[in-house]
Amino acid sequence: AQSVTQPDIHITVSEGASLELRCNYSYGATPYLFWYVQSPGQGLQLLLKYFSGDTLVQGIKGFEAEFKRSQSSFNLRKPSVHWSDAAEYFCAVGAVDSSYKLIFGSGTRLLVRP
Amino acid sequence: EADIYQTPRYLVIGTGKKITLECSQTMGHDKMYWYQQDPGMELHLIHYSYGVNSTEKGDLSSESTVSRIRTEHFPLTLESARPSHTSQYLCASALAAQETQYFGPGTRLLVL
Repeated sequence: AQSVTQPDIHITVSEGASLELRCNYSYGATPYLFWYVQSPGQGLQLLLKYFSGDTLVQGIKGFEAEFKRSQSSFNLRKPSVHWSDAAEYFCAVGAVDSSYKLIFGSGTRLLVRP
Repeated sequence: EADIYQTPRYLVIGTGKKITLECSQTMGHDKMYWYQQDPGMELHLIHYSYGVNSTEKGDLSSESTVSRIRTEHFPLTLESARPSHTSQYLCASALAAQETQYFGPGTRLLVL
């Protein structure tokens, strides 16, 4: 069965600084990978997804993520963080042998210092 | 932009009451999902449906039930609410199982 680990519960960065949120997954074959963002009291919004092809994926709001099979990772990056990026970020994995049901990580809460 | 709606957004109710959380989508998606999320925690799948008259239990055991009589509608029912049911419930839909899931805004339930 697949699993997802987001090792950082909280991350604080200064506005304008770069950001990297870590995500590691466990699955035997190539999974489907997603990053979602959740603002307080809201549902989840898709930032980007990886199904196949180019391992560097561009998303909305200036985010990107890189799939590294050798490290079983799908880390989310942004070169310059804005105060509006403060939110909870969830990595998720889906796989064909689980009928593509998504397994979510525990989330990383991003705080942005002015 | 996805069109998926949940009502109510917030619900405070007493123990033992029957409640139904509504979820509707206007995208014609066959696949619909219910997740439970406690504050600051990950989402857990509690129910899903791959089409009309198809419902399955998810990975997290739940006392709730669901129905799928129409493609666009996937309500979740708790026959007798308890304080342990206090949580946020998120509904999602997708065109196909391997496609992106689009989420509604969620229902925050508080059972007193």
